[in-house]
Amino acid sequence: QKEVEQDPGPLSVPEGAIVSLNCTYSNSAFQYFMWYRQYSRKGPELLMYTYSSGNKEDGRFTAQVDKSSKYISLFIRDSQPSDSATYLCAMGGTTSGTYKYIFGTGTRLKVLA
Amino acid sequence: EADIYQTPRYLVIGTGKKITLECSQTMGHDKMYWYQQDPGMELHLIHYSYGVNSTEKGDLSSESTVSRIRTEHFPLTLESARPSHTSQYLCASSEPRGRGTNEKLFFGSGTQLSVL
Repeated sequence: QKEVEQDPGPLSVPEGAIVSLNCTYSNSAFQYFMWYRQYSRKGPELLMYTYSSGNKEDGRFTAQVDKSSKYISLFIRDSQPSDSATYLCAMGGTTSGTYKYIFGTGTRLKVLA
Repeated sequence: EADIYQTPRYLVIGTGKKITLECSQTMGHDKMYWYQQDPGMELHLIHYSYGVNSTEKGDLSSESTVSRIRTEHFPLTLESARPSHTSQYLCASSEPRGRGTNEKLFFGSGTQLSVL
């Protein structure tokens, strides 16, 4: 079983829609949760970062973490064609004495004009 | 804004060639990483460094080597490239915990390597 599960998509939505992207994880050692946006042939860009259960909002983006269910989400409001990209979830924590990051496989999002 | 740079952006080479992928960061970060990314797959850690003269192999077996002689520079070398090395290579850096950024990981733009 993978430590992080993420629906690969692709997900196509009309412009203006609310998008929900999700990841589940199995290791309770993860303490930090991140969402990255990656455009084609570019490096991942850090979008959201949080370390506690609950919601964190930044403009049109809201990150949600539920540590009890081991579930994280990214919501995009009023989606734009420029949001079309692959979104990666990532988690960080100390396991076996080493701090490590684990990434999801990414969800491809296409926002149609 | 992350200041981490990778060169070249794209590289097409023949089998057996020695190559070095460059990575530099201007943020003074102690920790640096190399990840390999294939389409539809999660990022795999191939090397990391916690500071000058410190390098470790990551979770994914790799025939590459790295060096960390200066804080800002973390090059990756393949002594003899093969078609199986074709992939995107991503360099990243982070600050250690205790400096306020809580291990945020910043990436470069990546090097897309194609070995013919």
